[in-house]
Amino acid sequence: QKEVEQNSGPLSVPEGAIASLNCTYSDRGSQSFFWYRQYSGKSPELIMSIYSNGDKEDGRFTAQLNKASQYVSLLIRDSQPSDSATYLCAVKPKTSYDKVIFGPGTSLSVIP
Amino acid sequence: EPEVTQTPSHQVTQMGQEVILRCVPISNHLYFYWYRQILGQKVEFLVSFYNNEISEKSEIFDDQFSVERPDGSNFTLKIRSTKLEDSAMYFCASSLYPGGFSVSSYNSPLHFGNGTRLTVT
Repeated sequence: QKEVEQNSGPLSVPEGAIASLNCTYSDRGSQSFFWYRQYSGKSPELIMSIYSNGDKEDGRFTAQLNKASQYVSLLIRDSQPSDSATYLCAVKPKTSYDKVIFGPGTSLSVIP
Repeated sequence: EPEVTQTPSHQVTQMGQEVILRCVPISNHLYFYWYRQILGQKVEFLVSFYNNEISEKSEIFDDQFSVERPDGSNFTLKIRSTKLEDSAMYFCASSLYPGGFSVSSYNSPLHFGNGTRLTVT
């Protein structure tokens, strides 16, 4: 069983629409969850972190966490062409002291 | 905003040679990491380092690899006897607390450098 799973995409949305990105994880005791954005050839850039069940909003981004379902998502409102990138879900497993595990990423394309 | 810096940005080496990838973590951070990303694949954990010791390492991080903090600012990854399959982007990261740690208002995401692209020919 893969530790962190994401749909690879590509996910295409029109400019101005809401993009919804999903992630599931296998370690039920995981406590910390992160969304990173990665442009081609660049390093991961932190968008949001979430630690408690529910929603967390930051500007156009909303992270949603459901620990019972082992599911975390990222919503991007009013999507812009500059949001076109690969979005990485990352999880700190309960069994780990300081290791953060990344999913394979979902490629998002925002069409003008 | 403080940054993690990595040098060189691109390293080309011949198979069998040794390479050292260098990183300067954010100055007040205490936890350091190396990740790698083979082209088209996911970001993979290699090793974490704290208090001059390896904290955790993955199955990838075998005897071919070593890490060191030779002084108060640099953090290095040495790859001995490089193989073609070592070609990848190598990312250094740092954090103030253990990666992913969260208690009260203390959160500790990883901050990444720009990476070193290693090409083994």
